[in-house]
This record gives sequence, C-alpha cells and structure tokens, in this order.
Amino acid sequence: GAVVSQHPSRVICKSGTSVKIECRSLDFQATTMFWYRQFPKQSLMLMATSNEGSKATYEQGVEKDKFLINHASLTLSTLTVTSAHPEDSSFYICSAYGTGVNEQFFGPGTRLTVL
Amino acid sequence: AQTVTQSQPEMSVQEAETVTLSCTYDTSESDYYLFWYKQPPSRQMILVIRQEAYKQQNATENRFSVNFQKAAKSFSLKISDSQLGDAAMYFCAYLGYGKLTFGQGTILTVHP
Repeated sequence: GAVVSQHPSRVICKSGTSVKIECRSLDFQATTMFWYRQFPKQSLMLMATSNEGSKATYEQGVEKDKFLINHASLTLSTLTVTSAHPEDSSFYICSAYGTGVNEQFFGPGTRLTVL
Repeated sequence: AQTVTQSQPEMSVQEAETVTLSCTYDTSESDYYLFWYKQPPSRQMILVIRQEAYKQQNATENRFSVNFQKAAKSFSLKISDSQLGDAAMYFCAYLGYGKLTFGQGTILTVHP
C-alpha cells in the first residue's frame, strides 16, 4: 500500500517557539493532504485540507495564523505551529489522498509537547 | 454535515470469540464510502475494511466483516476469532465531499 511518513515523530519545544512538522507521500503523488489533531483517547479532528499549489482550507475554529500549512509539492505538506503554547500539545496526524483512489493513507503521527 | 456515532466507548472480548462494534451515521448523500480503522497503541491508523455505499454486498476481509444497513444508516464491524493483536481503538469513518468524518472511537480489549 501507499506510504506516508511524518517527521519528526516526537518534538518537545518551549512555549513561544515555532515547530514545523513534515508530511511526505513516499511512493505516490498526493494531490490532497489532510492534517488532524488527536487528544488522548479521543477521535481525530480534522484541522485543515491542503491541495498542492493552493491555500489550505481550515475547519471552523482552527486558527489559520497559528497553524500554517504549506503544500508546495505533490509529495510534501508541512504544518507549522507558530508561537506554540502548552495547550497546543497534542498528537498531529497527516493523511494523503492518492490520485484516483478513494482512500486516505495516514502518517504515523507526531507527538508535540510544549513546555 | 455528516455525523458518525459510535455508542460503545469500550468493549471487551475473550480471545477466539466474536465481537461486534456498532456505528451509525447521518448523511443526505446517496453515494459515499464507509471505513473502519484500527489504531493500536503505536497510534498508526490502519485501515481494517471499507464499504462502498452503492454496493449491497457486505465487505469482508478475513476475520473482519461488516453489516451495512444503508436504509438504517448503520455500519457495524464484526471481528471473528478475536486475537490479542486486535486490541486497539477502532474508529468508524464516513467519506463524503472528500473529507473523512470519524466516530468517537471504541476501545477494544481482548482477554486471553
């Protein structure tokens, strides 16, 4: 099956700093990628949808100036958490649509801890 | 907006027994996809099974099968011959307008 990677898998940062998370489709071209947030023992919450070469579409309640998403190529999307605060600590998961496939392939997730 | 409801926060089953996880959804679309995902402690999302709404036949993947009732908007997952490795959080998901909507999840415990 298609493989999606995320980097880093874990990151710890100080409050007020910015953190970038990368999501890559390794063996297919991803026209659309998604970013989710998940708190412990809870469901995945869609944050935004990014299409290659265009601006991301954010879900209601998600601050687009805080969570910057860039999808500059068909294999890479990045999520930057700007001026991170402890409440931004969470598990972030990306997924990608393959061309012509009605299935999302998920990355392994990134655990962000903001001190 | 589509909603997906999993009414069982936790379920448990004895090894080798059968367990059924429930899922209902709400939509006005006629064509869509439904999925069951497994999330083990590693937190990697793993696709268990998928169902296309226009197909009447219930999907089956080895020990996993679904009971898809389109009119009732119900999509339950049956796990037969449960194994210790089946222990995980299971999410039902609806794919519509290009987006996945997830249920709240069911934590499945498998007792040896």
